[in-house]
Amino acid sequence: EADIYQTPRYLVIGTGKKITLECSQTMGHDKMYWYQQDPGMELHLIHYSYGVNSTEKGDLSSESTVSRIRTEHFPLTLESARPSHTSQYLCASSEFTSGPYEQYFGPGTRLTVT
Amino acid sequence: AQSVAQPEDQVNVAEGNPLTVKCTYSVSGNPYLFWYVQYPNRGLQFLLKYITGDNLVKGSYGFEAEFNKSQTSFHLKKPSALVSDSALYFCAVRDMNRDDKIIFGKGTRLHILP
Repeated sequence: EADIYQTPRYLVIGTGKKITLECSQTMGHDKMYWYQQDPGMELHLIHYSYGVNSTEKGDLSSESTVSRIRTEHFPLTLESARPSHTSQYLCASSEFTSGPYEQYFGPGTRLTVT
Repeated sequence: AQSVAQPEDQVNVAEGNPLTVKCTYSVSGNPYLFWYVQYPNRGLQFLLKYITGDNLVKGSYGFEAEFNKSQTSFHLKKPSALVSDSALYFCAVRDMNRDDKIIFGKGTRLHILP
């Protein structure tokens, strides 16, 4: 198992609430990613980061925001949750090298917005 | 654009039989290819990768994948399936033209029948 952690694992929250999904890794990886995945479906990249103070939007438009103040921490925030945000959110990290590298994934956060 | 395709949404195999999960790719230049597995309510786990060299790549849990340049394929294989292999499998390719992001296929659900 990779050393990448996500909390909470499950979250049920009402519409309009602000939420932050936490992601931490202890591998010292520079690159980190957030994916959105409906259960059993394909992954959509929503944010990524090359390192501290670097954040980029991914392929899927998302109303969420991210920050990268520390190498090991890459939280995702929804300012006002909506039912359309109901999904699974996966965090991943990888080494920032020019060679081929794999991504290591956390266990995911399953979010339900009522 | 770089892409991967997994032509089968679902594959059913009897326990003990060999299994194959198909993947084809489209890249410019040398491909860096990956296979991941996702068990229910979990993140993705890295299985194996192809960088260069031997066309037969061995990975975790007895899985292997065969790289075929002429057919642009990277099929995942296992000689004898186990019920515990039932999961969602993703093929992926590194997109060197787009910030080194990894592009995932849509996934293939593998059912091993006891």
